[in-house]
Amino acid sequence: EAGVTQFPSHSVIEKGQTVTLRCDPISGHDNLYWYRRVMGKEIKFLLHFVKESKQDESGMPNNRFLAERTGGTYSTLKVQPAELEDSGVYFCASSQTRTVMNTEAFFGQGTRLTVV
Amino acid sequence: AQSVTQLDSHVSVSEGTPVLLRCNYSSSYSPSLFWYVQHPNKGLQLLLKYTSAATLVKGINGFEAEFKKSETSFHLTKPSAHMSDAAEYFCVVSAHGSSNTGKLIFGQGTTLQVKP
Repeated sequence: EAGVTQFPSHSVIEKGQTVTLRCDPISGHDNLYWYRRVMGKEIKFLLHFVKESKQDESGMPNNRFLAERTGGTYSTLKVQPAELEDSGVYFCASSQTRTVMNTEAFFGQGTRLTVV
Repeated sequence: AQSVTQLDSHVSVSEGTPVLLRCNYSSSYSPSLFWYVQHPNKGLQLLLKYTSAATLVKGINGFEAEFKKSETSFHLTKPSAHMSDAAEYFCVVSAHGSSNTGKLIFGQGTTLQVKP
């Protein structure tokens, strides 16, 4: 069974440019989460999809970030325009059920974004 | 609100000696607690989880953790460190509440170094 896959693994862009990160969850997992780790800080929640619907986007830092999950399969996270403080590692996770009480959140390898 | 604090940012042990990674949590609810590990260039992997069953939780690769409510702790231990244990470890609590979305709250991470 394929795990959670994220593309690209690394991205270096200039300030002001646009970058789109992609996450392919494990097949059949309705729940998809985005997290981010900024240099020197802890991993923080960004948002949560249940199928194609945004369940919780309380962690999105500002309106330069746009997440989508068309068709309830893969998800994209677009940063437009990118700023220096957006640099970090972006993780995606998926799980079968909404609570983690009886299931596990599976994480991708992350996308390391560097804005210069 | 829930939070976790990992008391050490770096821990260094010799191969074959015990490992102790400390974590304290804060939660208004009966918490679900986890330890995740990230090896270099890999995704986050679940080591073990506590979900109000047995207070001593056994995980993969010989790790275990004990939930101590009186001390609000969930320390991770292993009797004998292997070189392959060198990685970053995260103590995590699941955000509970009326929404119960499965959102995870991470500690700052502890880097474990294992010396030969």
